[in-house]
This record gives sequence, structure tokens and C-alpha cells, in this order.
Amino acid sequence: LAKTTQPISMDSYEGQEVNITCSHNNIATNDYITWYQQFPSQGPRFIIQGYKTKVTNEVASLFIPADRKSSTLSLPRVSLSDTAVYYCLVGDQIKAAGNKLTFGGGTRVLVKP
Amino acid sequence: SAVISQKPSRDICQRGTSLTIQCQVDSQVTMMFWYRQQPGQSLTLIATANQGSEATYESGFVIDKFPISRPNLTFSTLTVSNLSPEDSSIYLCSVAFASETQYFGPGTRLLVL
Repeated sequence: LAKTTQPISMDSYEGQEVNITCSHNNIATNDYITWYQQFPSQGPRFIIQGYKTKVTNEVASLFIPADRKSSTLSLPRVSLSDTAVYYCLVGDQIKAAGNKLTFGGGTRVLVKP
Repeated sequence: SAVISQKPSRDICQRGTSLTIQCQVDSQVTMMFWYRQQPGQSLTLIATANQGSEATYESGFVIDKFPISRPNLTFSTLTVSNLSPEDSSIYLCSVAFASETQYFGPGTRLLVL
């Protein structure tokens, strides 16, 4: 499983865009990139998943360059409720068996008023 | 997605005792997993709960300490045996459908005195 590296913490203000970059130099051909969000006292919540280029949903965008050695989660116009820990994971999500997720340290995002 | 519930949501136990945590899903899922999240830390996979057979444990986790059952496709239990203060953590159940990402339960917060 590819190891991921992301910043330990980031501060932002309400209404700003937050971009979290994750490095995964050893990503394999079959690996997908997945981001989870975790609020205190809750289980992680799936945000977005992608393989290459750009993926967008109602919550966030995920930018993946051509070499796939990094990815950037973009949260548009954050609010106080976006304060959470964000985890970047890399792995083969397609295989039915052995869908193991390896969580790194995560990025603690603090949104200030 | 899936609706996942865990019981109990939290408990305080004496050392030497055991705690059994239940995970219930509202639909049949392919995979069920158990994770541990120690205070202020990231998530660590304990084991994959296999329906009708013995669970598959990750390095550092053994069946005697963390017996797991999965009698059907919607239910699993994790027992944490012979509790010590080092077992104080949040225990999370996650589920996955074939070829999809994982969804996490709310977690069970355990404090061992």
C-alpha cells in the first residue's frame, strides 16, 4: 500500500477556499485516491475519490496531476462546520476482496470566524 | 451508502473484564472491518470480519485479545478481552459493498480504569 504524506494542520477563515495536498510517490497503477473527513467523536465520512485528472462533487473537488504522485483536495468557501481532520488514502478500492484502508496522520483543518 | 449503528456508543470498564461491541448495518454488505483509534491518533485496522469463518487479523492484533464474529452479512461483533488502560480507544466498524469505498459507523468510545 502506498504511503501518504500530508500537512499536520492548516488554519483558514470562513468563506475561504482550503486546499490540502497529499503526496503519494509510490502510488500503484490500480490505486485510487480517497479522502475522508472526520469530526470529533464521529467515524470518518467519505468525501471524494478519484483516479486521475479532476473529480468534483457537491462537497469538494479533487485534483490529480498526470503523474498521480500527489493530489489536492479543495474545499470551496469553508464554514466553521468544516473544522475536522481530513485523511488522504491510496489503495486499490476496486477489488472486492481485501479492501484495506491504511490511514495516515491526517490534516487537522481549523476554520476560524 | 449504508446506515451503520454501533452498540454501545461508549462504556467505562474495569481492567481485566471484556467488552463486546456490536455493529449492525441496514443492508447486506460484502466486507466488514474493525478499526481502533487511540486518543489523538489516526485509525488502525484491527481485522477483517469474514462471514461464516474466522476473521483475518492485521499484524499486532490476535484473536485471543480481539475475538470477532460475523454470523451474517449485516452484523458483526468485536470483543476486547482482558482489558487494560492501554485499550482505551475508539473502536470503529466499517463496511464496504463490492468494488466500493468504505463507510464507517459512529464508533464506540471505551475507557478502561
